[in-house]
Amino acid sequence: DAKTTQPPSMDCAEGRAANLPCNHSTISGNEYVYWYRQIHSQGPQYIIHGLKNNETNEMASLIITEDRKSSTLILPHATLRDTAVYYCIVRVVVLAAGNKLTFGGGTRVLVKP
Amino acid sequence: DGGITQSPKYLFRKEGQNVTLSCEQNLNHDAMYWYRQDPGQGLRLIYYSQIVNDFQKGDIAEGYSVSREKKESFPLTVTSAQKNPTAFYLCASSTTGSTRNTQYFGPGTRLTVL
Repeated sequence: DAKTTQPPSMDCAEGRAANLPCNHSTISGNEYVYWYRQIHSQGPQYIIHGLKNNETNEMASLIITEDRKSSTLILPHATLRDTAVYYCIVRVVVLAAGNKLTFGGGTRVLVKP
Repeated sequence: DGGITQSPKYLFRKEGQNVTLSCEQNLNHDAMYWYRQDPGQGLRLIYYSQIVNDFQKGDIAEGYSVSREKKESFPLTVTSAQKNPTAFYLCASSTTGSTRNTQYFGPGTRLTVL
C-alpha cells in the first residue's frame, strides 16, 4: 500500500471551510484514497473515498489531483464537532476480501469558535 | 439497533495475566478486525478475519490470539507474551465485495496492565 503524508495539525475557524491535504506520490493505478476521522477516545468514522474522480457526500468533498499524487478533503462548513484526527489512507481494494486499512499519524484538526 | 459492541470499556489486569476482549457485531458483516492504538499514534492492525473459522495476522500479531467461531463475534486475547499490552483496542467490521468496504468501529476497550 502507498504511503501517505499529512500535516500533523491544523486549526480552522468555525463556519469556514477546512481543507485537509494529503500527499500520496507513490500511489498506483488501482489504489483508492480513503478518509476517516477519529474524535477523541472513539472509534474512527468513515468519511469518503475515491479513485480518480472528485467525490462529494453529506459530510465532505474529496478532490484528487489529475496525477493522483495528492488529494484534499474539504469540510465545507466546519463546526466544533469536526474537531478530530483525520486519516488519509490509500489502499488496493480486493473485492472478494475485506478492506485492510493502514492508519498513519493523521492530521489533528482543531476547529475554533 | 445495529452496530458493534465492545466490552468492557475499561479493563484493568495484573501483569502476567491473559485477558480476553469482546467484540460483537449485528451488521451481518463477513470481515472483522482488531486494531491497537497507543497515545498520540495511529491505529495498527493486530488480526483480521474475512470469514468464519479463518483469520490472518496483521502488522503486530505477536502476543495476541483470536478466534472466529461465529460470524458476529471476534474475541481478542491479550496474552502474557505481549510486552506492552496497555493500549486502546478497537474492533471493526466491514462487508466484502464492493469498493466501499467501509469499516465500522466499536467504541473501544482501554486496557491497563498494572
